Amino acid sequence: EPEVTQTPSHQVTQMGQEVILRCVPISNHLYFYWYRQILGQKVEFLVSFYNNEISEKSEIFDDQFSVERPDGSNFTLKIRSTKLEDSAMYFCASRPTWSKETQYFGPGTRLLVL
Amino acid sequence: LAKTTQPISMDSYEGQEVNITCSHNNIATNDYITWYQQFPSQGPRFIIQGYKTKVTNEVASLFIPADRKSSTLSLPRVSLSDTAVYYCLVGDRGTSGTYKYIFGTGTRLKVLA
Repeated sequence: EPEVTQTPSHQVTQMGQEVILRCVPISNHLYFYWYRQILGQKVEFLVSFYNNEISEKSEIFDDQFSVERPDGSNFTLKIRSTKLEDSAMYFCASRPTWSKETQYFGPGTRLLVL
Repeated sequence: LAKTTQPISMDSYEGQEVNITCSHNNIATNDYITWYQQFPSQGPRFIIQGYKTKVTNEVASLFIPADRKSSTLSLPRVSLSDTAVYYCLVGDRGTSGTYKYIFGTGTRLKVLA
């Protein structure tokens, strides 16, 4: 069964550094998402992406965040200048065109900002 | 803005039926309600999706009343491996037109032997 994959599984960075989290969505999916989950809290929507542009974003997704689909397979989330409060699990998800909420989630990247 | 509320936790014994309710007071008109299961350190996993009335698949049932302000996930005959956190997910179109997905607060289900 096809899966969403994410790399790295864990990343530790210093405050103020830039990080890029990578995702490979399921190959025939056209809608892509990033979510985050702070330890012990619920999953929060960050951004959705379709047709090479952002279609929706939350208030969490401020100017320090950006997303990109640099080639036909990868989908990246960049955090320009990390803050301590960016420490969280970041999940990528993708969905097929026919289903609005059946999103398939990756295993996540655990980001720790020191 | 939609607000989704779930009970924080529930305990059940193996073999029992478990019902978890999510309140979503401002769900977008055309949106489906989806439920996910999450194990520790894993991404959410799709369980079931519905728009109204009742939907059943091989693992669960979903009951949605006519006003769609809530939904109930029903897990028949739970086993120890069903111990997880369960989330509802709804779409929300805010007053500014911005549209995003809202996960519920999550219900931690513990199944006891």
